[in-house]
Amino acid sequence: EVQVVESGGGLIQPGGSLRLSCAASGFSVSSNYMSWVRQAPGKGLEWVSVIYSGDNTYYADSVKGRFTISRDNSKNTLYLHMDSLRAEDTAVYYCARSIVAAYYYGIDVWGQGTTVTVSS
Amino acid sequence: DIQMTQSPSSVSASVGDRVTITCRASQGISSWLAWYQQKPGKAPKLLIYAASSLQSGVPSRFSGSGSGTDFTLTISSLRPEDFATYYCQQANSFPYTFGQGTKLEIK
Repeated sequence: EVQVVESGGGLIQPGGSLRLSCAASGFSVSSNYMSWVRQAPGKGLEWVSVIYSGDNTYYADSVKGRFTISRDNSKNTLYLHMDSLRAEDTAVYYCARSIVAAYYYGIDVWGQGTTVTVSS
Repeated sequence: DIQMTQSPSSVSASVGDRVTITCRASQGISSWLAWYQQKPGKAPKLLIYAASSLQSGVPSRFSGSGSGTDFTLTISSLRPEDFATYYCQQANSFPYTFGQGTKLEIK
């Protein structure tokens, strides 16, 4: 079965660091566009970061310089390392797979989400 | 960054109604657009990709159209399970921005 399972969320103080993990099964993280998408309480979806085609990465301006996306192909796992966390980073973080080829095939695999709460 | 604007932000409708949601991009994105449905407490679900292609397993009452800057998601005959929030997303260029969402409520 194709799926992803996130972990690593929790309560963290402002300025702290946290690493989210996303374990994939049924497909390889190394050969897909892997993203993080977040959703603040009561708000819409916000695209955060992507890793694709080797080690190409991109970040939303809101997290650039503070968050780092990476993957361990041997563990088939995606990561999001978050530094200098702020209250506005409080959200459910989703790991997501998308397929980009001749077309954008959309995000067809989503995790259940992991909750990050930044508060003192 | 490309801005995605959905309208309306919310809509009330009845079972059996036809509903159309619009998504406008701040610049042309060809057909690099997807639509998602999200229910409370759940992850989003892919409905439409490449602007008009129906994802496998999604009922045929859902359809998408458009290219360039203007796109629509249409539900031909609402069923009770369709009441949810809908999002568009562009993938023409990074960041792959989402629209702000359209909440579809029961009238």
